[in-house]
This record gives sequence, C-alpha cells and structure tokens, in this order.
Amino acid sequence: AQSVTQLDSQVPVFEEAPVELRCNYSSSVSVYLFWYVQYPNQGLQLLLKYLSGSTLVESINGFEAEFNKSQTSFHLRKPSVHISDTAEYFCAVKGREAGTALIFGKGTTLSVSS
Amino acid sequence: NAGVTQTPKFRVLKTGQSMTLLCAQDMNHEYMYWYRQDPGMGLRLIHYSVGEGTTAKGEVPDGYNVSRLKKQNFLLGLESAAPSQTSVYFCASSAPGQGAYEQYFGPGTRLTVT
Repeated sequence: AQSVTQLDSQVPVFEEAPVELRCNYSSSVSVYLFWYVQYPNQGLQLLLKYLSGSTLVESINGFEAEFNKSQTSFHLRKPSVHISDTAEYFCAVKGREAGTALIFGKGTTLSVSS
Repeated sequence: NAGVTQTPKFRVLKTGQSMTLLCAQDMNHEYMYWYRQDPGMGLRLIHYSVGEGTTAKGEVPDGYNVSRLKKQNFLLGLESAAPSQTSVYFCASSAPGQGAYEQYFGPGTRLTVT
C-alpha cells in the first residue's frame, strides 16, 4: 500500500518569492508520482508527473518537482510565484502495477499575496 | 471535447433522501472513478470502474452505490443520504495501460445533506 504526506497544510507567500511545497510518500513498490492543482471552485488538473527517467520534472507554468528516492520525497518548487498560482496543490502516488489506485495527500493551500 | 462533465453542480438533500450523481466522459476512457473531497482530507476514492459493467470499492464505499451501464457514464447513488455525506464529489476518468496514471477530473458536485 502507498501513502502520501504533505507536510504543510497552508503556505502563504508574497508575489515573486520562491516557494516549496513538500511531499513525502511511502510505498513498498515502485511508484509513479504526481502533483495536481485545484483552482478555486474547479476540479483537479495534472500539473506534472514523474514516471521514470530524469528525476527532475517541469510543468509549463514554471513549477518543477524532483523525485528523491532515498528520501522518498517529491517536493514541488517554483522560483517566483504569481498571484494566479493561488490554489490548492495535491501530491499523489500510484503503484506501477495495473489496477492500483491513485492515493492523494491532504493538500497544501498556496496563497500568494501582493 | 467536453472532457468529464458532472450533473448536477449543486444539490441540497434532507437526511434520508436519495439521489444519483451522473458523470459522463467523451474521451473513450475505460477507467472511471468517484472521489469525495472534504476539508483537510484530500480526495478519497469511493468506487471505481475498470470497464463497462464492472465496479469496485475504493477507500470509503459505505453508503454509496455505483453503476457503469455504458462506457461513457458512471453513476454514483446515495440511497439514504446522511449529513456525513456532505462533501464535494469529483468524478475522474483515465485510459488503460500507459495512460492509466493520468486522471482527468470533472468540475465537481457540491452536495449538502441537512
């Protein structure tokens, strides 16, 4: 079985500041890792994913996450945030075997203010 | 493509009433899922389906039933609503095989049980 821990429930930052949203996971098998974003009153959208290969993955809007197998982490970072990045961010893990479920963390609310 | 749509967007029920939430997807996805989202709890899987005519229980199935009579539709039923079922419900779908890891979410249904 897998589990996900998002270490911060809320992260307030000022615009143009860097941000890191922390995610740790546990699993006895190899996994896929994901970050989803939920803007207010909307469904979830996939932000980025790690499947295999390079441990650093990037999104189209400047976020990046690094898979660290030894620390079982998949932290999300952005060097300079915008007001429009205000949203809830969910880390998720899925076992590589077919039929395993996507397990979500409890979410981190990123609030960007000017 | 409309993607994943959910009907209705909002609903208020009284304790003991029943209702059905409809999820439809036009991406020809095999897999479909129902989640509930509660504050501070992330998303929890209620039921899922790996194909037309098949359903399976997720993490929190009690009090819910589902049906997948058509590939594009996945229905979530509450036979006797309880205040504990007040939540936001999300439907998602994914393709099998390599694509099974990426789930596409609907906009959600906000349900209040009084």
